Amino acid sequence: DTEVTQTPKHLVMGMTNKKSLKCEQHMGHRAMYWYKQKAKKPPELMFVYSYEKLSINESVPSRFSPECPNSSLLNLHLHALQPEDSALYLCASSPQQPPGFRQPQHFGDGTRLSIL
Amino acid sequence: SQQGEEDPQALSIQEGENATMNCSYKTSINNLQWYRQNSGRGLVHLILIRSNEREKHSGRLRVTLDTSKKSSSLLITASRAADTASYFCATSREYGNKLVFGAGTILRVKS
Repeated sequence: DTEVTQTPKHLVMGMTNKKSLKCEQHMGHRAMYWYKQKAKKPPELMFVYSYEKLSINESVPSRFSPECPNSSLLNLHLHALQPEDSALYLCASSPQQPPGFRQPQHFGDGTRLSIL
Repeated sequence: SQQGEEDPQALSIQEGENATMNCSYKTSINNLQWYRQNSGRGLVHLILIRSNEREKHSGRLRVTLDTSKKSSSLLITASRAADTASYFCATSREYGNKLVFGAGTILRVKS
């Protein structure tokens, strides 16, 4: 069992749908992340939240909209996605990373997203 | 964008043998981390080595870091079928929360 919980595990949606991915952690971590992973590829960073504020957006298209309502929750709102957006979406969390004191990230098992 | 490359891309060994995976990176780092990913699952952190360390052990895992060559290796000794997974190195820089992953090595341990 992972300490980062992602729901749903699988999601199939049409290109005109609106859906949301949810991520929850109760480890007291103040940094949370969204990654996109295509098959047989490494995870690619999308967004980083630090103390509930967006700190990194890796030039992600606006059809992906992140939200961090509180220190335990992270959402990813999806709208008008394209077939190439089909992938595994991973959430991760970590303690906040002061310079020179980097710590590992804890990952959820992901949401497998398929765009029809 | 990917930090660097890992080799081999795929490795198939017999149970009990050792497995060695290599990782190269391009920029200066604060630390380098290794993660394992089982099929259909999230990533699990294995070991972290800081830029001022050269070698680190954790159970059957041994990691080395050569900052002059910008490379690292992960050795898994006495492999088991349960070690079958993808292995990724990831680098962290001095500032910021960003982790950048290598391309990964797919390890298959045959019983």
